[in-house]
Amino acid sequence: GAVVSQHPSRVICKSGTSVKIECRSLDFQATTMFWYRQFPKKSLMLMATSNEGSKATYEQGVEKDKFLINHASLTLSTLTVTSAHPEDSSFYICSARGTGNINEQFFGPGTRLTVL
Amino acid sequence: QKEVEQNSGPLSVPEGAIASLNCTYSDRGSQSFFWYRQYSGKSPELIMSIYSNGDKEDGRFTAQLNKASQYVSLLIRDSQPSDSATYLCAVNMGNYGQNFVFGPGTRLSVLP
Repeated sequence: GAVVSQHPSRVICKSGTSVKIECRSLDFQATTMFWYRQFPKKSLMLMATSNEGSKATYEQGVEKDKFLINHASLTLSTLTVTSAHPEDSSFYICSARGTGNINEQFFGPGTRLTVL
Repeated sequence: QKEVEQNSGPLSVPEGAIASLNCTYSDRGSQSFFWYRQYSGKSPELIMSIYSNGDKEDGRFTAQLNKASQYVSLLIRDSQPSDSATYLCAVNMGNYGQNFVFGPGTRLSVLP
């Protein structure tokens, strides 16, 4: 199956700082990647859809100026949480749409962000 | 509003029993359906996909799809404690399957 990696797996930062999370498709090219957020014991919430070479599409209620997404290549998308606050502490997960069957999504291992 | 619904559970079954997980969806035109397993603190893992009406079997897992009833299910035979996880139903909605919607998940607990 397709492999998606994320880095870092865990990050702790001070309030007000910015954090960048990388999502890579390791053995396939992903024209579309997705960013999700999951709070404890809650379901996945789609934040934005990232398309290579174009602006991301954000879901309603997600601040595009706070959550900056860049999809500069077919294997890399980044999510930057700007001026992070404790309420941004969550599990951030990316996924990539496969090329064999464009309907399937493969998830990265996730990044646990803790903002102090 | 395009929705995917699941019972939140927890669903508890004894080891060796069949676990049955259900999912309904709102968009009648949906064509692609997926089951993901998510262990606590981990990201979802794709375990089954189904596109046509009927049953699809893969090892101990069987996915069942009924598009007329807008219903998809997952059966886990010979349930093991290691199957204890949250199971997410996902539906690719929209005319061109461009809207991937997850259900809230059903927590399954397999008791030894």
